[in-house]
Amino acid sequence: DAKTTQPTSMDCAEGRAANLPCNHSTISGNEYVYWYRQIHSQGPQYIIHGLKNNETNEMASLIITEDRKSSTLILPHATLRDTAVYYCIATVSGSARQLTFGSGTQLTVLP
Amino acid sequence: GAGVSQSPRYKVTKRGQDVALRCDPISGHVSLYWYRQALGQGPEFLTYFNYEAQQDKSGLPNDRFSAERPEGSISTLTIQRTEQRDSAMYRCASSLRNEQFFGPGTRLTVL
Repeated sequence: DAKTTQPTSMDCAEGRAANLPCNHSTISGNEYVYWYRQIHSQGPQYIIHGLKNNETNEMASLIITEDRKSSTLILPHATLRDTAVYYCIATVSGSARQLTFGSGTQLTVLP
Repeated sequence: GAGVSQSPRYKVTKRGQDVALRCDPISGHVSLYWYRQALGQGPEFLTYFNYEAQQDKSGLPNDRFSAERPEGSISTLTIQRTEQRDSAMYRCASSLRNEQFFGPGTRLTVL
């Protein structure tokens, strides 16, 4: 899996968009970008994934640069419940794939 | 429907004892994964199964750790002769396609 780099921590005001960056400059052509988050002591939760096109679901949007060397996860209207550690993972898609978690970004949503 | 469940949720044991951690995946999920998570860090891959076959055990730290999934459903992670350094949160996940669903984890404390 390609190495990913994320900021250690970020703050965001409640109700504003949270933009979480991720660098994956060595990503290969068949690797997807996955995002998971972990709220406090709960298990990680899948958010979204994409290959090269931008993706959107009910939780977030994923913007991947044209050269695929970086991406941004966008939470359009952050709430206090979005406070969590967010992990960006580059890996080949499919069910039989172990995930390599880095240190992630601690997002704190402020009231 | 029911998510991934793990038992026990908490386990305190003395150094040198064997422990068995159980994972009940989501019904029908083909793949099952074990991870270990130290405080303040992301989950670290241990091993995974497709159906009953152990596909990759490269993340198991040493031969005191073993896992099985004999009928392709419930899995057990066994740690023999536990050591204090084995203390951690042990998480199980299952998947059918791209998304891994994580259980609540078992907090293991070795005294």
